[in-house]
Amino acid sequence: QVQLQESGPGLVKPSGTLSLTCAVSGGSISSSNWWSWVRQPPGKGLEWIGEIYHSGSTNYNPSLKSRVTISVDKSKNQFSLKLSSVTAADTAVYYCARATEPLLAFDIWGQGTMVTVSS
Amino acid sequence: QSVLTQPPSVSGAPGQRVTISCTGSSSNIGAGYDVHWYQQLPGTAPKLLIYGNSNRPSGVPDRFSGSKSGTSASLAITGLQAEDEADYYCQSYDSSLWVFGGGTKLTVL
Repeated sequence: QVQLQESGPGLVKPSGTLSLTCAVSGGSISSSNWWSWVRQPPGKGLEWIGEIYHSGSTNYNPSLKSRVTISVDKSKNQFSLKLSSVTAADTAVYYCARATEPLLAFDIWGQGTMVTVSS
Repeated sequence: QSVLTQPPSVSGAPGQRVTISCTGSSSNIGAGYDVHWYQQLPGTAPKLLIYGNSNRPSGVPDRFSGSKSGTSASLAITGLQAEDEADYYCQSYDSSLWVFGGGTKLTVL
């Protein structure tokens, strides 16, 4: 069965760039799925960041669009998130998740990785 | 402030039935977009509980059910159990992005 695993630095300096990778195992990233990033600030709710299809097509949350880049590496079966110009407000648990067509519910989630923005 | 509105908290005794509402608008739920529900146990990732308004993934007990009407949706939990204590989130689509409700904390008394 498909599993997702996030990885990346747990601490990022203010004004820097947050970079995370989500490794897909047990299945191909080139299947008919959208691959998303979702974040959750401490004690708060879920916020969708953006998504990518294996073709490279992307959709982003308009509130973050100017700072977000999501990319896919089919050779490594993984996709990545870059969030630039980070502030303390970007401190959160970051999850990667899969949405399967046609219903596009997030049916598989990674365990999440905590990223703190601090000097 | 979330596009989808959920009550911050609900509670119930073991064995009872509780419902969690998710109120949207004509640009999301009312536009015909599906509603999905997630359960998040403390310290864990969200888990898909209901998809496509009223469908349960394999392994989800039939104590959990979902419905949708107009600009709102509801999650019902019958035969409440201690292990149901968690945060619950609804999710839909609105103006080119996926949106979540603010979450509801369910306390089992």
